[in-house]
Amino acid sequence: ILNVEQSPQSLHVQEGDSTNFTCSFPSSNFYALHWYRWETAKSPEALFVMTLNGDEKKKGRISATLNTKEGYSYLYIKGSQPEDSATYLCAFLVNKLVFGAGTILRVKS
Amino acid sequence: DSGVTQTPKHLITATGQRVTLRCSPRSGDLSVYWYQQSLDQGLQFLIHYYNGEERAKGNILERFSAQQFPDLHSELNLSSLELGDSALYFCASSSDGYPYNEQFFGPGTRLTVL
Repeated sequence: ILNVEQSPQSLHVQEGDSTNFTCSFPSSNFYALHWYRWETAKSPEALFVMTLNGDEKKKGRISATLNTKEGYSYLYIKGSQPEDSATYLCAFLVNKLVFGAGTILRVKS
Repeated sequence: DSGVTQTPKHLITATGQRVTLRCSPRSGDLSVYWYQQSLDQGLQFLIHYYNGEERAKGNILERFSAQQFPDLHSELNLSSLELGDSALYFCASSSDGYPYNEQFFGPGTRLTVL
């Protein structure tokens, strides 16, 4: 059974705090890792697709890094805002996407 | 708005019944993926169609089937429904046949089986 682990399960931060969470995945047979953001009552929205070891991607205040050799990816949010509150999902690609359970982020103003 | 449409938005039905969920991908996208989100589980991949052909299957029950039509819309058929089939069903689309690229998710269909 393929395991994609995300930690922490949930995170409560103050507006302006920077935060990061982890996605762990099998380090063998790596093809790609996806990050999605899922706001309450909406549908998941793609943030990044990462394919190469050492990849770093950035979109505004959100960035992600990838280490395929040790099997982890970090997602960073700089200066969290209330609108960043969402569940952040990572998904490991085999012949299909295998999603982690997500990290729930709540940003308090 | 991702450009992916799903109907209906909500569906309430009884055990033993059969329902059909419909998905239209973004304009130009050839792949459609179906996912199930149950209360106690994360997003679970069900099935992937590319340009009318089945590409990959997840833990899709035998009571469930799907197809993609020539106009690229897809339908997920769920039969002999059980209480445990109550879930949010998403479809997603992408431009090509390999799930390397980001997927665009529809708004989902919430199925309640009573």
